[in-house]
Amino acid sequence: EVQLVETGGGLIQPGGSLRLSCAASGFTVGNNYLSWVRQAPGKGLEWVSVIYGGGSTYYADSVKGRFTISRDSSKNILYLQMDRLTVEDTAVYYCVRGGHSSGWFDYWGQGTLVTVSS
Amino acid sequence: LVLTQSPLSLPVALGQSASISCRSSQSLVYSDGNTYLNWFQQRPGQSPRRLIYQVSNRDSGVPDRFSGSGSDTDFTLKISRVEAEDVGVYYCMQGTHWWTFGQGTKVEIK
Repeated sequence: EVQLVETGGGLIQPGGSLRLSCAASGFTVGNNYLSWVRQAPGKGLEWVSVIYGGGSTYYADSVKGRFTISRDSSKNILYLQMDRLTVEDTAVYYCVRGGHSSGWFDYWGQGTLVTVSS
Repeated sequence: LVLTQSPLSLPVALGQSASISCRSSQSLVYSDGNTYLNWFQQRPGQSPRRLIYQVSNRDSGVPDRFSGSGSDTDFTLKISRVEAEDVGVYYCMQGTHWWTFGQGTKVEIK
């Protein structure tokens, strides 16, 4: 069974850094497309970043240069390093699996809340 | 690329049908010939759940009351015989030109 469990959220001051983790089970992170999608409180969904099975990474313009997506295949974990955080980054961050072959975004984690506030 | 959903709020009586429209500002046909248009359901307090992928393919475990249709830039999610468990926000999403979500349509029981 595919499972995605995010951790690492919390309250952080503007300008600070945070690293989110997503522990995967039921599949291998190194062979799959994995994304981060976020949802600001009471708002819609916004794609943030993706890492392809081959290792290529891409980012939304809103986080480019500040966020870094990576994975540890030995631990089967996906990461999102978030630097220079702003209040606009406040959101629930979801770890999402799925690429072209599965029609994109077939499995979602439960999300972890990041609150950027002074 | 912008996805525009309508309506944004949809009160529906139990047992009645509901339709949600999703219009794209560009064609969603990918170079491989597939159209990467999905529909997601987000129940209150839960993560999004994919219902439909590539326009009209239902995910495993999704009731056949849910159906997707459309092509190119114009897509529809239909819920037949709405049940109480269908309350939530529904999003369309495209995966043809990077990834973009619609604004969401809130379905509630009338």
